[in-house]
Amino acid sequence: QLQLQESGPGLVKPSETLSLTCTVSGGSISTTSYYWGWIRQPPGKGLEWIGSMLYTGSTYYNPSLKSRVTLSVDTSKSQFSLNLTSVTATDTAVYYCGRRREAYFDYWGQGTLVTVSS
Amino acid sequence: QSALTQPPSASGSPGQSVTISCTGTSSDVGGYKYVSWYQQHPGKAPKLMIYEVNKRPSGVPDRFSGSKSGNTASLTVSGLQAEDEADYYCSSYSGINNLLFGGGTKLTVL
Repeated sequence: QLQLQESGPGLVKPSETLSLTCTVSGGSISTTSYYWGWIRQPPGKGLEWIGSMLYTGSTYYNPSLKSRVTLSVDTSKSQFSLNLTSVTATDTAVYYCGRRREAYFDYWGQGTLVTVSS
Repeated sequence: QSALTQPPSASGSPGQSVTISCTGTSSDVGGYKYVSWYQQHPGKAPKLMIYEVNKRPSGVPDRFSGSKSGNTASLTVSGLQAEDEADYYCSSYSGINNLLFGGGTKLTVL
C-alpha cells in the first residue's frame, strides 16, 4: 500500500523559506505513470494546488505561486520536496503531498501544519 | 485562474439523495473530462471519491456518482448515511498541467 509522509518545520518566520519533504513508501517514485505534488489548505478554507512534478525533474506550478515555488526530487531517498520563498502569514496552511495521476490525486499524505509567524 | 464555484453547504436526511454542484468555465470544467471530487472529514486528508467526471476508485460506494453538463459538474450522493457528513471539494484540469479546486461544500446529514 502506497504511503506518503510530509516532514519539515511547523513554524517559519515571515520572509523566510518554507521547506517540506514528502517520503514515499510502498511504491516507486521513479515512474512516468504518476506526478508527485503538493496541495495546501489554510485553516478553515479550501484546497489549493501548489505544483506537481515527474521524477525526471519536469515541474508544473500554480501560476499564482510560480515565482516563489520550487519542487525537487531525490529518487535515491524516494523523496520529493517543496520550497516556498518569502512566506507571509497567508502561507499558513496544512500542506499535503500526494500522488497525482492524470488530473487527480489518488494518494495523499496526512498533512502537516505550517505556521508563518515571528 | 479563479477557484471553481461550489455552494458552501448542502444537507439531506438519511436515505435521501443530495447533489452538489461545481461551476467553472469552458477553460476548465467545460473543456476537459478531468473533473474529480474529494471527501474530507475534519482533521483528515482529502479522499478521492470520483475522477474523470464519473469514475469511482475501488472501494468507493456506488452511492456516489458524478456527472457534467457544460461548465458545471455535479456530485450526487444517494441513500445518504451519517458517515457521508463531510466537506466535499471538486477539482478540474485547467490546461498546461494546472489544477483548480472548488471552495468546498459542507454536507450535513440531518
